[in-house]
Amino acid sequence: SQQGEEDPQALSIQEGENATMNCSYKTSINNLQWYRQNSGRGLVHLILIRSNEREKHSGRLRVTLDTSKKSSSLLITASRAADTASYFCAISYSGAGSYQLTFGKGTKLSVIP
Amino acid sequence: EAQVTQNPRYLITVTGKKLTVTCSQNMNHEYMSWYRQDPGLGLRQIYYSMNVEVTDKGDVPEGYKVSRKEKRNFPLILESPSPNQTSLYFCASSYGTSSGYGYTFGSGTRLTVV
Repeated sequence: SQQGEEDPQALSIQEGENATMNCSYKTSINNLQWYRQNSGRGLVHLILIRSNEREKHSGRLRVTLDTSKKSSSLLITASRAADTASYFCAISYSGAGSYQLTFGKGTKLSVIP
Repeated sequence: EAQVTQNPRYLITVTGKKLTVTCSQNMNHEYMSWYRQDPGLGLRQIYYSMNVEVTDKGDVPEGYKVSRKEKRNFPLILESPSPNQTSLYFCASSYGTSSGYGYTFGSGTRLTVV
């Protein structure tokens, strides 16, 4: 399977702390994306980082990409209870076409008020 | 509002009774896709379509059919549902990831086959 693998599977932190989750993959990519899913709801696109980029920011989110290690991380700073959700990395693999995304199994984040 | 609309949100049916889950998007996206989500397995792609009348199998197409007669609609058809198709289903659409856009997902359809 070419699924990305998120780590950890579950993470529990106090409100105000930072949350870091990681994604590893196996082959060359076009881009890597992060999505959030509130319980049982549809996934929401958070951020996309291209293979030639190393870091991107969006509000309290920071995504890094290390293509030599085939890994990415998502940092949520100053977490809030509303950040409680599952977070998925999704990978657009080179040669797979510009539309195809393969999703990992997710990291379940719990932010305790 | 730009969105992907799936119907129904919840569906309980019996084995063998044909059903259709509808999906419609209002963003003029070329690409549409169906996923199923099961505990411990993440999201797995069922079928996708890169444009009108162009569809292709994803990772788990068995037991499903799709059609793309219009750009905005991409229904998922279960001709003879079985209990192992009990799952949470998502439709998604996109301009294409090389454009820098991600996928827009519908709210999901929770299907139970008894």
